Amino acid sequence: GAVVSQHPSWVICKSGTSVKIECRSLDFQATTMFWYRQFPKQSLMLMATSNEGSKATYEQGVEKDKFLINHASLTLSTLTVTSAHPEDSSFYICSARGSDRGLGGYTFGSGTRLTVV
Amino acid sequence: RKEVEQDPGPFNVPEGATVAFNCTYSNSASQSFFWYRQDCRKEPKLLMSVYSSGNEDGRFTAQLNRASQYISLLIRDSKLSDSATYLCVVNIYNQGGKLIFGQGTELSVKP
Repeated sequence: GAVVSQHPSWVICKSGTSVKIECRSLDFQATTMFWYRQFPKQSLMLMATSNEGSKATYEQGVEKDKFLINHASLTLSTLTVTSAHPEDSSFYICSARGSDRGLGGYTFGSGTRLTVV
Repeated sequence: RKEVEQDPGPFNVPEGATVAFNCTYSNSASQSFFWYRQDCRKEPKLLMSVYSSGNEDGRFTAQLNRASQYISLLIRDSKLSDSATYLCVVNIYNQGGKLIFGQGTELSVKP
């Protein structure tokens, strides 16, 4: 089946540094990538949607200059958390969807647990 | 009001019990409906899609009532391995295919 590889699985970084998270679709072309964030005991909150070759669309309240999304190819999308602060500590998950897949065709990465100290 | 609302949890049930989860959604343009399962510190995994006619997959039965904008999931003969958080998810028509997640209901099945 479809697989999305997400790296790193976990990362600890110092406040003020930037962290890049990668999601790669291994056996399909991910025309759309969704980036979610999940705080403890809360649900997944959509941060942004990116289509290959286009600028990402950010949800209300998500700072586009802080959370940089790149989706330059059909198999790779990245999320960079710039100047990370402790409040950015969270579980970040990507979800990819290919153009040939139906409404149920979402494949999630395994998530990245970010801790900012 | 949240777009997708679920029963607050947690649900603590004995093995073999039947447990029902409820979910309501506010956007009438919601097009597709799903139940996902999420284990602790893991990504969500699709449990089943939900159709208006109702659908069943083994011990799991999902129902959708579009008129009342209500979705349910029934788990029969619950197993220890069913312990997880169950997420009600909708896809809204013409919003780029994004999924909207409910806050989840935690289920703990005890021996």
